Amino acid sequence: EAQVTQNPRYLITVTGKKLTVTCSQNMNHEYMSWYRQDPGLGLRQIYYSMNVEVTDKGDVPEGYKVSRKEKRNFPLILESPSPNQTSLYFCASSLSASQPQHFGDGTRLSIL
Amino acid sequence: KQEVTQIPAALSVPEGENLVLNCSFTDSAIYNLQWFRQDPGKGLTSLLLIQSSQREQTSGRLNASLDKSSGRSTLYIAASQPGDSATYLCAVGMDSSYKLIFGSGTRLLVRP
Repeated sequence: EAQVTQNPRYLITVTGKKLTVTCSQNMNHEYMSWYRQDPGLGLRQIYYSMNVEVTDKGDVPEGYKVSRKEKRNFPLILESPSPNQTSLYFCASSLSASQPQHFGDGTRLSIL
Repeated sequence: KQEVTQIPAALSVPEGENLVLNCSFTDSAIYNLQWFRQDPGKGLTSLLLIQSSQREQTSGRLNASLDKSSGRSTLYIAASQPGDSATYLCAVGMDSSYKLIFGSGTRLLVRP
């Protein structure tokens, strides 16, 4: 089954403790992206990648890192999480910018 | 800077009604526009994608139109059903770089 898989789905952690949210797709898609969704602010793009080893900043990249060492995986790294990064995070992928995006089911992060 | 607006924020209609959801954007130099559906606790599902050179796309009971010159897109849902209840989001792609800008969504409730 074609899918985008995020882990974990839920995480409660504390300020400053490094964490990684994994994202994997099995569709051989070139493009992958991370978003955060906040009430009243909608979905905002954090980082995106157009191919292996090619990443670029979205609208809200501060406090996040990403890597794209292989096509199927695009982890989101929070080196020193802060409470303002409490949010619902989505990973998405597509074959190209002209093709529909496929979204994962989301990761709800709470940083205390 | 591109801004994407969706009005109304919420809509409640009786089953069987035809309805229109609106999406407006401030910069007409777009690459494409996508309509998504989001169910509670789930990720986004792509419904329709319209390239900048196209005027409309259809899928089943859904029809999306695009008028770049006026900065507007509409999603038409025919013969609405309770299963159509969800939040509908539009997103504008500005170029082939995979950057997407989302509207804040319209929350639709179809009453049996």
